[in-house]
Amino acid sequence: DAGVIQSPRHEVTEMGQEVTLRCKPISGHDYLFWYRQTMMRGLELLIYFNNNVPIDDSGMPEDRFSAKMPNASFSTLKIQPSEPRDSAVYFCASSLVNNSPLHFGNGTRLTVT
Amino acid sequence: SQQGEEDPQALSIQEGENATMNCSYKTSINNLQWYRQNSGRGLVHLILIRSNEREKHSGRLRVTLDTSKKSSSLLITASRAADTASYFCAPGHRGGADGLTFGKGTHLIIQP
Repeated sequence: DAGVIQSPRHEVTEMGQEVTLRCKPISGHDYLFWYRQTMMRGLELLIYFNNNVPIDDSGMPEDRFSAKMPNASFSTLKIQPSEPRDSAVYFCASSLVNNSPLHFGNGTRLTVT
Repeated sequence: SQQGEEDPQALSIQEGENATMNCSYKTSINNLQWYRQNSGRGLVHLILIRSNEREKHSGRLRVTLDTSKKSSSLLITASRAADTASYFCAPGHRGGADGLTFGKGTHLIIQP
């Protein structure tokens, strides 16, 4: 079991550019979650999917953020256009069912200059 | 969904001592989970306690749950330097419709 795989590990981009973060969940897990972590706000739930369908996106901060899950083994989080305040570590996690243990990836550290 | 709130925010103890962290939450739960996060890494699941359980053990970890007080505690016995990390609780709420949310965590430092 390779665990949850996120790419890239680090992303540095300029304000206004499009950023795409990628996640491969653990095979067989029906739930996928995107979180954002900053010192100021802690760990925030952005959106989660069940069987590839977005269930709750109320945590997505603005329309600049969008997430997709085209199949059971891949999800993307896109920020367009990016802003310096989007700088954070973005985590993807998956679980078998909701409220069961989450398996986190090692995150993507995003820096927007 | 309601997140758990960990207390204290920071805790520094000597290696070999026991560390206790607390978690409070506001609404009815199905279960409560504890996670650890080492610097620069994703969260790692430690233990899950169900709402009908009062205590659970896993190695040097002991978790208690008091649903009447809506609180939980995590005890790490005989702490080691490798236990230095942030610890988070995550209440799993009744109905199970919400994704897990997290508080700011307890930052634990084990002094050698």
